[in-house]
Formats: sequence, C-alpha cells, structure tokens
Amino acid sequence: SQTIHQWPATLVQPVGSPLSLECTVEGTSNPNLYWYRQAAGRGLQLLFYSVGIGQISSEVPQNLSASRPQDRQFILSSKKLLLSDSGFYLCAWSVQGLAGGRADTQYFGPGTRLTVL
Amino acid sequence: QQQVKQSPQSLIVQKGGISIINCAYENTAFDYFPWYQQFPGKGPALLIAIRPDVSEKKEGRFTISFNKSAKQFSLHIMDSQPGDSATYFCAGRKNSGGYQKVTFGTGTKLQVIP
Repeated sequence: SQTIHQWPATLVQPVGSPLSLECTVEGTSNPNLYWYRQAAGRGLQLLFYSVGIGQISSEVPQNLSASRPQDRQFILSSKKLLLSDSGFYLCAWSVQGLAGGRADTQYFGPGTRLTVL
Repeated sequence: QQQVKQSPQSLIVQKGGISIINCAYENTAFDYFPWYQQFPGKGPALLIAIRPDVSEKKEGRFTISFNKSAKQFSLHIMDSQPGDSATYFCAGRKNSGGYQKVTFGTGTKLQVIP
C-alpha cells in the first residue's frame, strides 16, 4: 500500500528565516505530487504540482518555491518567511495515467503546521 | 473565481440524525467528484467519490447524490455519530495535461452531539 510522509509535523520560525518542508511517498512510482496550503478555517489552496523529477509548476505567485530532486520526494522552500506564510501545509500524491476507482483522486499526507512569528 | 460552492459552513446534528452537506459547481469539465473528511490537525482523507454519470453512490452510512443537470451534489451521513465530527470538503476534479486539477469547496464543520 502507498504511504505519504511529511516532516516536520510542526514548525515555529521567525520572520525572515528560511524554510524547508519535505514530503516523501512510498509504495508507488512516478506519482504526481502536490503542495497545498490551508489557512485556519479555510479551504485548500494549490501551491505547486509536479508530474516528474525536476518538473515543477506553480499555481500562484508567492514567496515559496518547490523542488522534486527524486521521484518520490517533494520539497517546499522559502528563502525568507513572511507572517502570511503561516498555515497548514499539505502534500498530496496521485497516480499518473490510470482511470477508474479510487486511483482517480489525490491522497494527502498528515500535514505540517507552520507558524511564522 | 470560486468553482465549487459548499454549504453550510457549519452544521450541528444530534446523534442518530442525518447530516446533509451541499455543493454546487460551475466547471462542466469536472469528471470526478470526491469528498474528503478532515479531523483537526490531520490531512484530509478520501471518504467517498462519484462520477457524473451516476446519480447516487452509497458506502455504508455515507451517500452522495448527484444532479448533473443542476450541477449540484450532496453528501448525506445517515445515523450520524460523534466520531463523524470533522470538517468535510467536496471537490471537483479535472484531468489537466497529465495531472489532476482538484478544486475544493470551502469546507463544512460538522459537530454531532450525543
């Protein structure tokens, strides 16, 4: 079965500090990978997605960047955090190229709670 | 532009009652409609999903009703239990150039009281 991991689980960082959040997926190959942000009491905003190693697409302009150095590893970074970067960051994966059944949607990791002070 | 509208924002139901959450979508390119359940501090988990060529799907106490012509769908939770207390998100999915573009509703916070 497939498993998705995120770390750290929680993080408190000062404004202006760098950020690195990591996501890894086990039990599947060549997944599509996604980074979402969820503000308190709000819905999910897609930040980045990746269809392969080194292939990153950004959905919204922002202070963050993403990288995919390995097939099942997805990293979210920032050089200088802003207060507005606080939130719950979720990594998700989906299968490429299959149709039908529960493979038709995205599966989320446990999330990282980021507080910027 | 919000493409999936979800209501109500919050819902309180007595144990054993029926919880109903409604969603409306605008993008006719959506070809799959999942519902996610999220507990505090956890990632959303897939609960149940439906294709637009099906009018109803039932899994245990959870049922999706889908009205393609009205571009509306709803989640019904029968015999609601305190353990169902969570935030529920509806969503519409579109295949887009090799990846899934999923648009989420804003969520419904459900509280089931004993």
